[in-house]
Amino acid sequence: GQQVMQIPQYQHVQEGEDFTTYCNSSTTLSNIQWYKQRPGGHPVFLIQLVKSGEVKKQKRLTFQFGEAKKNSSLHITATQTTDVGTYFCAGPGSGNTGKLIFGQGTTLQVKP
Amino acid sequence: EPEVTQTPSHQVTQMGQEVILRCVPISNHLYFYWYRQILGQKVEFLVSFYNNEISEKSEIFDDQFSVERPDGSNFTLKIRSTKLEDSAMYFCASRGQVGGYTFGSGTRLTVV
Repeated sequence: GQQVMQIPQYQHVQEGEDFTTYCNSSTTLSNIQWYKQRPGGHPVFLIQLVKSGEVKKQKRLTFQFGEAKKNSSLHITATQTTDVGTYFCAGPGSGNTGKLIFGQGTTLQVKP
Repeated sequence: EPEVTQTPSHQVTQMGQEVILRCVPISNHLYFYWYRQILGQKVEFLVSFYNNEISEKSEIFDDQFSVERPDGSNFTLKIRSTKLEDSAMYFCASRGQVGGYTFGSGTRLTVV
């Protein structure tokens, strides 16, 4: 079945270092969404990418959607302790119900 | 910022008992979902609901599960006879015509 894979599973960085998480889908996606889940919290929508090769920025976060619309990345520049959490990518499942297939997530720890 | 509200935040139940998890989606959203997240794992789709009926359900969503929107605002997930493996965080989510999901803060279900 359709799968969304993310790497790495965990990343520990020193505050101020950069961070990147990569997402790959087994199928071509119409869009990709990114969510952040703080420890003990719930997923919070960050962004949706729709176009092939699209790049979007939110302050220190840069999101990219691959040309083939099967992969995506999230890059954080100069991490801060507030960036701690698990970052999930998610793509729409087959069918037209809007269900999302989530990746396993990348858990970011930032050492002050 | 509109919120999706879930109650209770934590439910402990005996194996074999019925539980009802409650959600109040964002009022002008049309699509409603239940997801679950076993501790430390990814977010898994359970069921989608649109126009007062189930539009899609996953393999996890077997005959022990049901959803209702009894009064046009609340959206409930019922598990008829809970099993130990049903222990997880259950998230309700809703969305409008476009854009990402808004997730509730979740119900932590513990089956003992």
